[in-house]
Amino acid sequence: QSVLTQPPSVSGAPGQRVTFFCTGSYSNIGAGSDVHWYQQIPGTAPKLVLFGNTNRPSGVPDRFSASKSGTSASLAISGLQAEDEADYYCQSYDSGLNDWVFGGGTKLTV
Amino acid sequence: QVQLQESGPGLVKPSETLSLTCTVSGGSISDYYWSWIRQPPGKGLEWIGYITSSGSPTYSHSLRSRVTISVDTANNQFSLRVTSVTAADTAVYYCARGILRDGHNFPPPSDYWGQGSLVTVSS
Repeated sequence: QSVLTQPPSVSGAPGQRVTFFCTGSYSNIGAGSDVHWYQQIPGTAPKLVLFGNTNRPSGVPDRFSASKSGTSASLAISGLQAEDEADYYCQSYDSGLNDWVFGGGTKLTV
Repeated sequence: QVQLQESGPGLVKPSETLSLTCTVSGGSISDYYWSWIRQPPGKGLEWIGYITSSGSPTYSHSLRSRVTISVDTANNQFSLRVTSVTAADTAVYYCARGILRDGHNFPPPSDYWGQGSLVTVSS
């Protein structure tokens, strides 16, 4: 069982907005650790799409946004496109375990 | 453009040692965090550990008794060893680069990844 909890699946129609949630605790997200988000298309390596809670790497469209509050974080994708269909993972640091922890991942179906 | 490439045996026998190397090209190995992450077939990502360019490793609490990560700065490589493997260690193993930016907290986000190397543990 993952230290960070993500719902297993989310779906949305093209053009819609979807939100992914990542729930942690006071030893990770709530302790001020950064949260990052990765997109993984099946059969390929994960790709960083948001880092440091709210920042987009260059090349990631501004349809992707993220936020963090308390012990949870969220990733939103607006204007859904077929190419967004992938698994999305959140990542943070857990000070109790001294581990870089991943959520279990959420599968997005467009 | 920075590129990472994993290399090593794709098949390891139970109880033996898994060894992988990640070769970094297009950039220096200095000043970054170099990590190993694995993904069992059909499952999620699991962080294994990282090493700094100065050679200081940190391991996942669940794997630290069996894992060693080392760095070879002269050849721009870092390596992973997992001892006493079982079928549960069958996974795609990824190497990745992490960079900790000013004003940000741990963990460093992994901005470059290798393509992944499937390692199967079977007799």
